[in-house]
This record gives sequence, C-alpha cells and structure tokens, in this order.
Amino acid sequence: GDSVTQMEGPVTLSEEAFLTINCTYTATGYPSLFWYVQYPGEGLQLLLKATKADDKGSNKGFEATYRKETTSFHLEKGSVQVSDSAVYFCALSDRDTDKLIFGTGTRLQVFP
Amino acid sequence: ETGVTQSPTHLIKTRGQQVTLRCSSQSGHNTVSWYQQALGQGPQFIFQYYREEENGRGNFPPRFSGLQFPNYSSELNVNALELDDSALYLCASSGGGAGTDTQYFGPGTRLTVL
Repeated sequence: GDSVTQMEGPVTLSEEAFLTINCTYTATGYPSLFWYVQYPGEGLQLLLKATKADDKGSNKGFEATYRKETTSFHLEKGSVQVSDSAVYFCALSDRDTDKLIFGTGTRLQVFP
Repeated sequence: ETGVTQSPTHLIKTRGQQVTLRCSSQSGHNTVSWYQQALGQGPQFIFQYYREEENGRGNFPPRFSGLQFPNYSSELNVNALELDDSALYLCASSGGGAGTDTQYFGPGTRLTVL
C-alpha cells in the first residue's frame, strides 16, 4: 500500500541555519503531497502542499517540490528561527478515499 | 470563518468504558475524517464521513464507530476501551472530493485510558 518515509529526528540547528527534512513516498497513483506542522500540545497545521509533479508548495519561508522521478517531497527553509521548533509531518492523500497517510514525523529543535 | 473545533480537550477513562468525542467541521466543509495519533507517531486514519455516510475506513476494529450529522458535525465513539486506545484523536474537515482536497485539523482530544 501507499506509504511515506521521513528522516528520523531530532534535527537540531542553530538559528539562521539551513533546514532540509527528507521525505519520500510510495504510491500506486498520483497523490497530492503535504507538509503539516505540530507545535507542542496542539493539533496539525497545514504548512504547504503540492498536487502534481513539479509543483512547488511554499509558505512562511518553507518550500517543497513534488519530484515524481525520485518520489520525494523534501522540506527546506533557508534560515530557521527558534519559533520553527516543532514536529513536521509529511503526508500523501489517497486519491480514491481522500485519506491522509502520514510519515512518523521529524522533530526540529532550533537553538538561539 | 470558524475553524475545526473538538471537544472535550482532555478525557480520562478506565478500561472497558465507552467514550464519545465530538467534532465541528469548518464552515462550508461536508467531509470529516478522524485520526488516532499515538505518542511519538504520525496520525493513523480511522474513518471518514461524507454527507452523513461512512466513506472509507482504516485498520481499526468495529468498536471504533462514528456518526455525521446533517450540519456535518461528527462523533467518534469507542467502546470497550483498551489501554492502547490512549492517544490524541484528531478530527479534520474538508470540502469534499477525493485526493486533491486539503484537510484542516482541529486541536485534538487527548484520551487517557487507565
């Protein structure tokens, strides 16, 4: 079945460092891809999405490009802030049932 | 525009009891999905309701059941609670339509089973 694999965390960075969180997927069709963020004690917030190959999603300085040839959707940010500390989830949307399939999450810790 | 809301925020139950969790979808959304998030894990799909009908189910036993009401709010019921049911339960709403539609999440209900 469909699945999502994320790099294990935690990822620990200093403020203003460059961030990459790797995400790869396995799907039989052409899913939509998402990044959600979860701050401590909260639910999930949509960070960005891409619905077809070569689409780039972007929001709040974060970017991810839907790469069909490498089945990847890596999350990047040029300069992280302490306030970006959270758990980041990569997910795909099954086109038949509309359910989301999530990776296990990557915790990001940013220190001043 | 009102976002997705869930109640209660926290809940403590004992094994064997039954629990009902509630979700109000975002204005204009007709689809509600429920997810279970165990500690340190990604959310797992429980089921989805579209216009009051179940529209897909994940790998959860029948003691997990749900309802959707005419105003598109929804309930998740869990019978015969087990210790492993302790988790954050997330509700998400969307406008309907498969695949490309974005789901928006509520803050979750933290269930502890003792």
